[in-house]
Amino acid sequence: DGGITQSPKYLFRKEGQNVTLSCEQNLNHDAMYWYRQDPGQGLRLIYYSQIVNDFQKGDIAEGYSVSREKKESFPLTVTSAQKNPTAFYLCASSTWEGGSDEQFFGPGTRLTVL
Amino acid sequence: AQSVTQPDIHITVSEGASLELRCNYSYGATPYLFWYVQSPGQGLQLLLKYFSGDTLVQGIKGFEAEFKRSQSSFNLRKPSVHWSDAAEYFCAVDPLSGGYNKLIFGAGTRLAVHP
Repeated sequence: DGGITQSPKYLFRKEGQNVTLSCEQNLNHDAMYWYRQDPGQGLRLIYYSQIVNDFQKGDIAEGYSVSREKKESFPLTVTSAQKNPTAFYLCASSTWEGGSDEQFFGPGTRLTVL
Repeated sequence: AQSVTQPDIHITVSEGASLELRCNYSYGATPYLFWYVQSPGQGLQLLLKYFSGDTLVQGIKGFEAEFKRSQSSFNLRKPSVHWSDAAEYFCAVDPLSGGYNKLIFGAGTRLAVHP
């Protein structure tokens, strides 16, 4: 089955630690995205990538970093510089043919800072 | 400012009743419009989307939405709600600017269904 997988489902971090969230897709999509979800605020874009070895900052990129070395993978690192990292993180992917199309979402990773 | 507004944070309906979830956007040109649903602790699933053409769009799970340009609205409807429809619903807009599939999400409406 084609889809997006995220791991782990739950992640606990101590203050001052970096953690990396995994996102893998087998939909052959060019574009991938990372969103952060907080209660009552909808989804906010952290980073996006339209093609391998290229990525752009979204609306709330501070304290996060990404890489896109393979088409199917787009890991997100939450660094110690992120002041309030406790949230639900969603990865998504879409085709990119110069126009808009739906984004497909993974099941999410819930990150809690202890 | 450009935004997507879902005026209702929580809605409670009885099973079998009709449902309408509101969504308004403030973008100059007609954007692409989406409704997604999220079950607790899960990712988002697309219910339906509007790009152009017929302003009444049919989606999955018996949902439909109507685009009204004059009101900058894209309200989601279902004639008869099932208990399994309890979830959070997000309206999203692609303003067709910025050169990529940029989605702006509303804050969401949480739907509760009474038996």
